[in-house]
Amino acid sequence: GESVGLHLPTLSVQEGDNSIINCAYSNSASDYFIWYKQESGKGPQFIIDIRSNMDKRQGQRVTVLLNKTVKHLSLQIAATQPGDSAVYFCAELLSGSARQLTFGSGTQLTVLP
Amino acid sequence: DTGVSQNPRHKITKRGQNVTFRCDPISEHNRLYWYRQTLGQGPEFLTYFQNEAQLEKSRLLSDRFSAERPKGSFSTLEIQRTEQGDSAMYLCASRMGAGELFFGEGSRLTVL
Repeated sequence: GESVGLHLPTLSVQEGDNSIINCAYSNSASDYFIWYKQESGKGPQFIIDIRSNMDKRQGQRVTVLLNKTVKHLSLQIAATQPGDSAVYFCAELLSGSARQLTFGSGTQLTVLP
Repeated sequence: DTGVSQNPRHKITKRGQNVTFRCDPISEHNRLYWYRQTLGQGPEFLTYFQNEAQLEKSRLLSDRFSAERPKGSFSTLEIQRTEQGDSAMYLCASRMGAGELFFGEGSRLTVL
């Protein structure tokens, strides 16, 4: 999802359902992408990454999909749990920029009991 | 706990005062980053060190901001003559080479 101003996109899912969080990135030169999870009052925590020579990567309960044609990234969380409630950010790495990440504006995931 | 330590965790100050934040990265990490995060937004890059050398600074880092990493280990971020617009969470992150980036819990600044 994309944010407008200070309002985070939100996604509410039932516990046990699958979640899909979307992100549009801006720079076609980016060659590395990461999803981070940020719980309230904490720093971002690495979830999964993907390089631009791949279109899918799977982790434990998470899958990242990359569509370079439309510059779109998604994070799929299987069997969502209450502990998954957090803000999720995608980040892109700009080639030639001393390897610093550019973050998107985040999506608030709420898992309903 | 990621192993990246930041302090203080919270700082409340009056406009015009100077503040300093400290970051202790994971010990073997040679790269250290500072980011700023405001409510509802993703972290924004401020500056980056490789060992003790400051290699990149964002345009967000005005003249009132200075960062150091004197011995290539811990780093400090100082803000002089703070303004209300400086209120934010200041995040430090470290990594070894091109490895995973680990973030600290952040230092929250409130300027009154």
